[in-house]
Amino acid sequence: EIVLTQSPDTLSLSPGERATLSCRASQSVGSNYLAWYQQKPGQAPRLLISSASKRATGIPDRFGGSGSGTDFILTISRLEPEDFAGYYCQQYAKLPWTFGQGTKVEVK
Amino acid sequence: QITLRESGPTLVKPTQTLTLTCTFSGFSLTSHGMGVGWIRQSPGKALECLALIYWDNDTRYSPSLQSRLTIARDLSRNQVVLTMTNMDPMDAATYFCAHFDWVLSFDHWGQGALVTVSS
Repeated sequence: EIVLTQSPDTLSLSPGERATLSCRASQSVGSNYLAWYQQKPGQAPRLLISSASKRATGIPDRFGGSGSGTDFILTISRLEPEDFAGYYCQQYAKLPWTFGQGTKVEVK
Repeated sequence: QITLRESGPTLVKPTQTLTLTCTFSGFSLTSHGMGVGWIRQSPGKALECLALIYWDNDTRYSPSLQSRLTIARDLSRNQVVLTMTNMDPMDAATYFCAHFDWVLSFDHWGQGALVTVSS
């Protein structure tokens, strides 16, 4: 199976700063079928990005995804208070679909 | 508008079988390229994809749990049912069902069902 490793585990930033989250795959993710999700405590994950770079419906343009092959990035250009949350990457190119272990973006 | 809602027991005993139901609306489970998946999240842990059922009724399972899982659909009730046998305290988690599109992945989620495993 494809193992996804996210870094860092925790990112401590202030509102207004730029966040850069990494997701590295153990093998190439075909068709760049890589998604990013945001999850807040007690809530279900919310799809942010699919196909590595396509924002889901209703997602603000401060969220951006990039990358291909084995290395992917989620960027939040300017952190808003509501962006402090957990973020997960997930590949859906190859069964079984797998998730990364997550990155927590916390207030510095 | 796509919605999904999980239902089932909040407490099961070790060795028992867990049955969870996902009731959905706003889409047809026979539409090409779509499906429903079950994902779980143990407290403070990452997400784990357990099972998928596709528009053509094909099913796929997590390799590590395959022997214990069954996913099935009831089109007349717009439901997808997950059964997990031989429950263990390590299976305590929040179980989510989610709609997927093979290009978008999991684009709509239920609110989750918290399951405790204890005697």
